[in-house]
Amino acid sequence: GENVEQHPSTLSVQEGDSAVIKCTYSDSASNYFPWYKQELGKGPQLIIDIRSNVGEKKDQRIAVTLNKTAKHFSLHITETQPEDSAVYFCAASGGEGSNYKLTFGKGTLLTVNP
Amino acid sequence: GAGVSQSPSNKVTEKGKDVELRCDPISGHTALYWYRQSLGQGLEFLIYFQGNSAPDKSGLPSDRFSAERTGGSVSTLTIQRTQQEDSAVYLCASSLARLAGGYNEQFFGPGTRLTVL
Repeated sequence: GENVEQHPSTLSVQEGDSAVIKCTYSDSASNYFPWYKQELGKGPQLIIDIRSNVGEKKDQRIAVTLNKTAKHFSLHITETQPEDSAVYFCAASGGEGSNYKLTFGKGTLLTVNP
Repeated sequence: GAGVSQSPSNKVTEKGKDVELRCDPISGHTALYWYRQSLGQGLEFLIYFQGNSAPDKSGLPSDRFSAERTGGSVSTLTIQRTQQEDSAVYLCASSLARLAGGYNEQFFGPGTRLTVL
């Protein structure tokens, strides 16, 4: 089955700096890669996603890049703000026998210091 | 509109007892998922319901775990003879039916925090 590795597990940045979180996946058939943000006491919320026919997608301060050859994808947050502090999860779906299951990374705790 | 709701928000139980966790999906969402989130871990897929199709139970960790979805809406996750390793946050998500070649966003509830003493 699919295996998703996520790094780093914790990330601390100063307000206004950029943050980058990286994920790798094992199943070359996976073709959907969402990113979720989870605030304390809440369920994860989708912030951006990318499909395998696209190499990069941007939404305001958030961007995701995908390298299918290397089987890795990354989340980029620019001009970070304290409200960006949360746990971020990457996920992959669409691989063999799992065209609806999401396999998640273990998460990155992002802290933005004012 | 209302999002996915789960109850209870917290559940403390004694080892060996049975527990039931409830999920109310977003109205009109035919797909429903249960995940388990252990401390410091990512979300682990448990079970998937899609309309009237047979559920995908491949993620259930043991036969003590079961889930039902009545009338294509509300779902209940039951854990029998709870063990301490069952302590985790149980998350439910729902989505519109997946179209061929497409993906629909999974909307998550706030979760139920289960503590087994």
